[in-house]
Amino acid sequence: AQSVAQPEDQVNVAEGNPLTVKCTYSVSGNPYLFWYVQYPNRGLQFLLKYITGDNLVKGSYGFEAEFNKSQTSFHLKKPSALVSDSALYFCAVRGPTGGFKTIFGAGTRLFVKA
Amino acid sequence: KAGVTQTPRYLIKTRGQQVTLSCSPISGHRSVSWYQQTPGQGLQFLFEYFSETQRNKGNFPGRFSGRQFSNSRSEMNVSTLELGDSALYLCASRSSGTERNEQYFGPGTRLTVT
Repeated sequence: AQSVAQPEDQVNVAEGNPLTVKCTYSVSGNPYLFWYVQYPNRGLQFLLKYITGDNLVKGSYGFEAEFNKSQTSFHLKKPSALVSDSALYFCAVRGPTGGFKTIFGAGTRLFVKA
Repeated sequence: KAGVTQTPRYLIKTRGQQVTLSCSPISGHRSVSWYQQTPGQGLQFLFEYFSETQRNKGNFPGRFSGRQFSNSRSEMNVSTLELGDSALYLCASRSSGTERNEQYFGPGTRLTVT
């Protein structure tokens, strides 16, 4: 069965510092991995995806994520955090089979302090 | 291009009633998925429709049902509402082309069951 774990409920970081939001996954076969962000009273917005290819994926708003197959991780990173990055971040996984059913992690709330 | 729209945005119902939520996907998108978001359970997959056919279903009771019309608009119905059905219901659409792995979410319908 597919699963996603986001071990931190909340991440606090100062503006201008690098940020990391952690994600590990479990899926049979090669995973399709995603990061989404949710702002208050809004739906989820797509940030980036890993399907195949280069392990370092670049996405929207300066975010990037590194796929690590041996550690089954897909951590979200940004070199310099902005206060406006404060939001709820979701990691998601889909297996190569079973259609497009996507499993989301519990979410990590990011607070960026000015 | 207009985004995913969901109506209504807010809804208050009483236990035992039924409710129908509507989702209009991005023009040209033929796949629509529904998710339930609650503080306790996070984002949970309900079902996915493609070309009027249900392709995947999550682990929800039969009180939750959906359908998709020929214009790709989708509705989900919850019968015999329970207090635990209070949640944000999110709809996401997806294209069939090269960007088929990315889901685009609507703003959600906030359902409160009293």
